[in-house]
Amino acid sequence: ILNVEQSPQSLHVQEGDSTNFTCSFPSSNFYALHWYRWETAKSPEALFVMTLNGDEKKKGRISATLNTKEGYSYLYIKGSQPEDSATYLCASPTYGGSQGNLIFGKGTKLSVKP
Amino acid sequence: NAGVTQTPKFQVLKTGQSMTLQCAQDMNHEYMSWYRQDPGMGLRLIHYSVGAGITDQGEVPNGYNVSRSTTEDFPLRLLSAAPSQTSVYFCASSETGQEGYTFGSGTRLTVV
Repeated sequence: ILNVEQSPQSLHVQEGDSTNFTCSFPSSNFYALHWYRWETAKSPEALFVMTLNGDEKKKGRISATLNTKEGYSYLYIKGSQPEDSATYLCASPTYGGSQGNLIFGKGTKLSVKP
Repeated sequence: NAGVTQTPKFQVLKTGQSMTLQCAQDMNHEYMSWYRQDPGMGLRLIHYSVGAGITDQGEVPNGYNVSRSTTEDFPLRLLSAAPSQTSVYFCASSETGQEGYTFGSGTRLTVV
């Protein structure tokens, strides 16, 4: 099993700041890269699933890019709001030739101060 | 449409007891997975299934069994509970694995 790594572990920003964080994953046998948002006391919710090198996805103020050749993805939040405070997880199927073995990174915890 | 339903929400077990955590989805999803969440460890994959009758081990399968006799249900069995299995357990499902997974609300298990 190959690891999915996320950085930074935590991030504190002011309301209105733009921010980004990184997910690195094994580039060999790549299937897909998932991003999830996990609010405290709730369950993770899917943001994006990306499969193609160079893919860019956007949902409101949140966007993500994918580089499968070098094995990284960036998540960007433009003009952070307090309601963006959450842990952001990335995940990828990293072994076994199946997309069912979705392995998660440990997440980046974002805190947005008003 | 209930999504992914996990029962129970909370459970306390004594060391050595066995139990089954239930997971059911009504979205006709083929892919289902069990994760455990521990502080500082993130979500770790226990077992997963890509369809009825097919299961495979994840990162941390020891001490757990699963079966998938129907598309809807994917129960997780703890054979002989240990304090190290104290955790929050999440079940998740996806139609084909190529779109985002839908998570259940979790089961908080304490083993004393």
